[in-house]
Amino acid sequence: NAGVMQNPRHLVRRRGQEARLRCSPMKGHSHVYWYRQLPEEGLKFMVYLQKENIIDESGMPKERFSAEFPKEGPSILRIQQVVRGDSAAYFCASSNSNNQPQHFGDGTRLSIL
Amino acid sequence: TQLLEQSPQFLSIQEGENLTVYCNSSSVFSSLQWYRQEPGEGPVLLVTVVTGGEVKKLKRLTFQFGDARKDSSLHITAAQPGDTGLYLCAVDGSSNTGKLIFGQGTTLQVKP
Repeated sequence: NAGVMQNPRHLVRRRGQEARLRCSPMKGHSHVYWYRQLPEEGLKFMVYLQKENIIDESGMPKERFSAEFPKEGPSILRIQQVVRGDSAAYFCASSNSNNQPQHFGDGTRLSIL
Repeated sequence: TQLLEQSPQFLSIQEGENLTVYCNSSSVFSSLQWYRQEPGEGPVLLVTVVTGGEVKKLKRLTFQFGDARKDSSLHITAAQPGDTGLYLCAVDGSSNTGKLIFGQGTTLQVKP
């Protein structure tokens, strides 16, 4: 399967813990986008990365959230000191340029106890 | 305030019925995309419309971009249970980055 791979599919954390969400883009794609989806809502843009660079993080909360896309390995969305309001589905999408269609993974469902 | 307003928010119909869902805005867009998202999965791109007044067909689905490129509609003929899902419209939020801005979606349930 050459699609966008996200793991874990489900993640449960207690308040105050850290959550790490991983995204492996489609083969040949060097552009990665992260989106967050709350129940019964559309997706909200969080951050756009190219290899080793954050291009647009205008949708990222100012604190506790960070993202990276290293030269080797998957893109990581990291949430520190999670709170109940962080519970959501987090989707990653990849493309081979910033004006080509984005292909989405099946998301990570984060639940905060 | 949502840039893209989708209506209706929820729709439950019987198999075989026709339906139309809408995506409206007061802004003008160079293009607009429609996605379908099934429970537990990511959105899947259905179509991109680019030209004002454009109509695109995908089997029983007909997509139209408004003449002024501010709105779009999706019409489904003879809906089937397999059409059940969340239908999302989206536009490019930046010419430089390609980040997408989504509407809140229409949840469609087609009962057999």
